[in-house]
Amino acid sequence: EVQLVESGGVVVQPGGSLRLSCAASGFTFDDYTMHWVRQAPGKGLEWVSLISWDGGSTYYADSVKGRFTISRDNSKNSLYLQMNSLRTEDTALYYCAKALVLRFLECNGMDVWGQGTTVTVSS
Amino acid sequence: DIVMTQTPLSLSVTPGQPASISCKSSQSLLHSDGKTYLYWYLQKPGQPPQLLIYEVSNRFSGVPDRFSGSGSGTDFTLKISRVEAEDVGVYYCMQSIQLPPLTFGGGTKVEIK
Repeated sequence: EVQLVESGGVVVQPGGSLRLSCAASGFTFDDYTMHWVRQAPGKGLEWVSLISWDGGSTYYADSVKGRFTISRDNSKNSLYLQMNSLRTEDTALYYCAKALVLRFLECNGMDVWGQGTTVTVSS
Repeated sequence: DIVMTQTPLSLSVTPGQPASISCKSSQSLLHSDGKTYLYWYLQKPGQPPQLLIYEVSNRFSGVPDRFSGSGSGTDFTLKISRVEAEDVGVYYCMQSIQLPPLTFGGGTKVEIK
């Protein structure tokens, strides 16, 4: 069974930093592009970032570009999101999600999502 | 960015009756490879989104056949032939033809009467 388990969400002050993790199991992790998607309280879904199966390509939403860094460690079946210069508007439930098609970078939506981890940016 | 517009915002449906959700994109989602990169997700209360439909009309593994997707270019529809109580939640369409960013529709909340 494919499983994604996020962790690392906490309450942090504006301007602070945080690293989210996503532990993957049940599939060949290094064959798939991975995504981060967030959902602010009571709001819709916002795509944040993706990384290719080999870590060689990354994309970001404009709202996080230059502040967030996506990475992965295929030896540990883990995905990460380093979040710096956090703002109150980054408060959200952060999901990691697996891409649908293996070894395909673009045009590749998500099939399986984790339960999410909550990040609250507040003073 | 490609803007995804869903209608209606909410829907109240009697069990056993059909339901339909529209999604319009600001640009064509037809790729030069011949595929159209439009997805449908359902987010049940308190749960993460789950994939229902990919590439306009392909049901994901385990999705009941009462769910169907159709459309082309910029206009798409998700239909539920006979709504059941377990179908409540918020439905989102999403495009992946243009990156970054992937973009979602604003969501359609489906409730049971």
